[in-house]
Amino acid sequence: DAEITQSPRHKITETGRQVTLACHQTWNHNNMFWYRQDLGHGLRLIHYSYGVQDTNKGEVSDGYSVSRSNTEDLPLTLESAASSQTSVYFCASPSPGESQPQHFGDGTRLSIL
Amino acid sequence: DQQVKQNSPSLSVQEGRISILNCDYTNSMFDYFLWYKKYPAEGPTFLISISSIKDKNEDGRFTVFLNKSAKHLSLHIVPSQPGDSAVYFCAARYNTNAGKSTFGDGTTLTVKP
Repeated sequence: DAEITQSPRHKITETGRQVTLACHQTWNHNNMFWYRQDLGHGLRLIHYSYGVQDTNKGEVSDGYSVSRSNTEDLPLTLESAASSQTSVYFCASPSPGESQPQHFGDGTRLSIL
Repeated sequence: DQQVKQNSPSLSVQEGRISILNCDYTNSMFDYFLWYKKYPAEGPTFLISISSIKDKNEDGRFTVFLNKSAKHLSLHIVPSQPGDSAVYFCAARYNTNAGKSTFGDGTTLTVKP
């Protein structure tokens, strides 16, 4: 079955470090998204991509970057981790169909100490 | 300004009864509305959606109602089951943005046996 996988599932790091979260999908979809989920804030869009070499900022993009060198992967990088970036991160890609629902990975829980 | 709002952080119902989860939005230009369910330590999963040209969509125990004049939608679960206990996210998107969605903050549903 096609799927979307995130790694690592859990990570603890220190402030100021660079961190990269991986997202890999096997659907060969062009569109991929990164969200973060915090208590009381639901899912907020960080960055997204509509295809290879395309990247766009979401509503909470400060301190994050993405790159899209192939269709399958959209890694999310925290350039200099801050405690405010402690969160659960979800990667997603929309499924085919009229409403194009997002199909999410299982998330990465990131703790920045 | 939050465009999609779920004003009830939590809801508790008895098994077998109806669960009604509510969602309000501010932008009348949204084309689709979606509901997702999320269990702990998993990514959100798509539940049901509705187009802005409809006022009701039903899928088994789940029905979504859309009131465009009030900019309000609701998810009805009948009958509620303990396995329905989860966080429910309301989301909205435009037809032109290829799956990119705006999410509410979520409502935690607890179904008591």
